Amino acid sequence: DTGVSQDPRHKITKRGQNVTFRCDPISEHNRLYWYRQTLGQGPEFLTYFQNEAQLEKSRLLSDRFSAERPKGSFSTLEIQRTEQGDSAMYLCASSSPQGMVLTEAFFGQGTRLTVV
Amino acid sequence: GEDVEQSLFLSVREGDSSVINCTYTDSSSTYLYWYKQEPGAGLQLLTYIFSNMDMKQDQRLTVLLNKKDKHLSLRIADTQTGDSAIYFCAESINYGQNFVFGPGTRLSVLP
Repeated sequence: DTGVSQDPRHKITKRGQNVTFRCDPISEHNRLYWYRQTLGQGPEFLTYFQNEAQLEKSRLLSDRFSAERPKGSFSTLEIQRTEQGDSAMYLCASSSPQGMVLTEAFFGQGTRLTVV
Repeated sequence: GEDVEQSLFLSVREGDSSVINCTYTDSSSTYLYWYKQEPGAGLQLLTYIFSNMDMKQDQRLTVLLNKKDKHLSLRIADTQTGDSAIYFCAESINYGQNFVFGPGTRLSVLP
């Protein structure tokens, strides 16, 4: 297993366009997280899945954002009608919790979005 | 709400020890983590400590946890230029369901 992979690594889009990012977690991990990181800040939680169920969404996740994990494996994050404030690094992480306790999460390299 | 704080910058000389400090607020945190991020890269898990421990050592890394004061530190012995990066402290929240990250400490290692 090569770890968590994200695609694309970089995306430049015009304001108002829709974009979709993909995350492939470590294969046996049942939890998958999306975070957003802006320059000079730590990652901010967006949402997470346990298998295919989306269990929590941050208030940062406006109506323009939607995430799916249809078969409990890979996940997609779509941003509709992008705005310049959406420019950030979007990070995906996966973990395999022991019981109900999170032990460690492994992060992908991220997708850097630039909205022009 | 949950909050994690760190000093933003630290400079050390090569070969010296680095100590990066962090404070957190969620008393129910089960685990506390240190992640490293190099320029343009994702986050790499360095180490973590369970909340009922007060110290963990892993090669050049030593983590100290003061649960009473909600203070966590990461000591890097014999700091090398390759250790230059941003170091993020993170706590697990909601009884282990998710993470909250600090703003990151940028470590610069001077030759």
